[in-house]
Amino acid sequence: QLQLQASGPGLVKPSETLSLTCTVSGGSISSSSYYWGWIRQPPGKGLQWIGDIYYSGRAYFNPSLKSRVTISVDSSKNQFSLILSSVTAADTAVYYCARRPTVGGLFDYWGQGTLVTVSS
Amino acid sequence: DIQMTQSPSSLSASVGDRVTITCRASQSISSYLNWYQQKPGKAPKLLIYATSSLQSGVPSRFSGSGSGTDFTLTISSLQPEDFATFYCQQSYTTPYTFGQGTKLEIK
Repeated sequence: QLQLQASGPGLVKPSETLSLTCTVSGGSISSSSYYWGWIRQPPGKGLQWIGDIYYSGRAYFNPSLKSRVTISVDSSKNQFSLILSSVTAADTAVYYCARRPTVGGLFDYWGQGTLVTVSS
Repeated sequence: DIQMTQSPSSLSASVGDRVTITCRASQSISSYLNWYQQKPGKAPKLLIYATSSLQSGVPSRFSGSGSGTDFTLTISSLQPEDFATFYCQQSYTTPYTFGQGTKLEIK
């Protein structure tokens, strides 16, 4: 059974950099059939797609965040990562990692999510 | 960006009721519409993709329909475990966008 597990600091100071890693188990991140993505949800609010990456490194980003976002993949560790720079309180959210098949644009497997709070 | 608008934002219903949730896109998205269910403190779960295809393991009481800009999610007979928040998502083009959610509560 595929599992995704997001991890990283739960507290980040304003203007600093948020860094999260998603570890994939029960499947290979190098599969040609999937992208690996990040989606966030501010407390009590809706979902926002951040971006996703293919094992080759090809990535897609939400233009509203693109200037601050880096997504990378480490096939040797079966992990992919999110870096979000210059964070503000508006970046406080539960961050989910998820799998997206190359066809369809849906997200079929999700990690449990990790809450990141931006506060001094 | 394509805006997705769900209605209603919240809904009270009873076990056994038939419930319909609507999702409208700001432009045509063909059939590239997916539905998720989210329970408190949990990640969203894919229910329906490509408007009407049921994800593996999802009960047949869930169904979806529509095309273009107007879509619906129907639960034919509500069960206690169905009470949750539901989100639609367009996958026609990036940035992928979600509706604001519909919270389904027990009456």
